[in-house]
Amino acid sequence: EVQLVESGGGLVKPGGPLRLSCAASGLTVTNARMSWVRQAPGKGLEWVGRIKSKSDGGTIDYAAPVKGRFTISRDDSKNTLFLEMNSLKTEDTAVYFCTRLSRLDFYYMDVWGKGTTVTVSS
Amino acid sequence: QSALTQEASVSGTVGQKVTLSCSGNNNNIGRYGVTWIQQISHGTPKTVMFGNSLPSGIPDRFSGSKSGTTASLTISGLQPEDEADYYCSTWDFSLSAWVFGGGTKLTVL
Repeated sequence: EVQLVESGGGLVKPGGPLRLSCAASGLTVTNARMSWVRQAPGKGLEWVGRIKSKSDGGTIDYAAPVKGRFTISRDDSKNTLFLEMNSLKTEDTAVYFCTRLSRLDFYYMDVWGKGTTVTVSS
Repeated sequence: QSALTQEASVSGTVGQKVTLSCSGNNNNIGRYGVTWIQQISHGTPKTVMFGNSLPSGIPDRFSGSKSGTTASLTISGLQPEDEADYYCSTWDFSLSAWVFGGGTKLTVL
């Protein structure tokens, strides 16, 4: 069974950094296309960024609101995906989910973690 | 403003058939399949449809379709446990980004 478990959320001051982790089991992050999605309080789902599998070149794309501040990476030895967040703003307050992207003739999000909560406040 | 447009709310009675829609353009829905995601009480999202395919464990009262730049999720024989927020999502070629609809709140009366 594929499982994704996020951790690392917490309270951080505006301008500060935070690193989120997504530990995977039942899949190898190196060979998977993975994404981060967030949900602000009372709001809908918002895409944060995506990393392609190593075999697909490992390309990373980011949503416009986080580009230049957030960085997605992975540690193959720990089978873990990371989201490094810098220069945090109050509007980054959200639950952050990691997801796996699988493929038919198109990519789709099929497995979701339970999420980790990030609160940016002074 | 979401790239994909969904009804804000839809309601139905137990046993009824309801259809949720998701409207986009030729850079997203017109090019790629759509994922439908269910979220109950802001809990863990769950994928209930990708294209017209059912993930394992999802009841077959759920079905998906697409015509041009509009995708639909139909629930035939609505059940109380179907009450949730439903989001559609796909890749957008011109934005180089995944896009979501604003979500539809489905109420089972």
